[in-house]
Amino acid sequence: DIQMTQSPSSLSASVGDRVTITCQASQDITNCLNWYQQKPGKAPKLLIYDASNLETGVPSRFSGSGSGTDFTFTISSLQPEDIATYYCQHHDNLPLTFGGGTKVEIK
Amino acid sequence: QVQLVQSGAEVKKPGASVKVSCKASGYTFTRSYIHWVRQAPGQGLEWMGIINPSGGSTDYAQKFQGRVTMTSATSTSTVYMELSSLRSEDTAMYYCGRGGSHVGPYSIDYWGQGTLVTVSS
Repeated sequence: DIQMTQSPSSLSASVGDRVTITCQASQDITNCLNWYQQKPGKAPKLLIYDASNLETGVPSRFSGSGSGTDFTFTISSLQPEDIATYYCQHHDNLPLTFGGGTKVEIK
Repeated sequence: QVQLVQSGAEVKKPGASVKVSCKASGYTFTRSYIHWVRQAPGQGLEWMGIINPSGGSTDYAQKFQGRVTMTSATSTSTVYMELSSLRSEDTAMYYCGRGGSHVGPYSIDYWGQGTLVTVSS
């Protein structure tokens, strides 16, 4: 199974800050990487698919990059409504696996 | 609009089974896979398996092999996930999710609201 290592596990930033989360796969997954946002008490929401494609309706301050084993998720200007836990997930093959999550808080 | 509506919360005793339903609407049911993902309290997301509602083929995570059964009923656009031999570690929120159309079948573009399963004696 492919292991997904996400860092950091939590971060605190100010409104307007640039926030970056990384995700590393245990083997080459080309661009088969998604990013989800999960707010407390809610189901996850797909933000980025295939490493860098913004899902319909998702604000452009969210972006993703990377290929192979190393991926990055960025919030260009953190907003109060972005408080959530973010997960990466590979979809190269089955079984699917998720990273451990990054909890983003406002400083 | 696409909707996945799950059945209500369950409380079960250790050793029992639970069956959670996920009713789909707003799209052609047989054209998209359904995934099941669970989340223990305060923990991350764990993929359990996938079912193709067209034909009923399944693929389960090895961790759940032998304990999980996923089925579909095309007449009601409903998918079911049954987990047997429950233990306290199975206490979690269980989500169904649609394998996306434009994002690919292994990416989950719509999620159910979740079903809390509590295992307690």
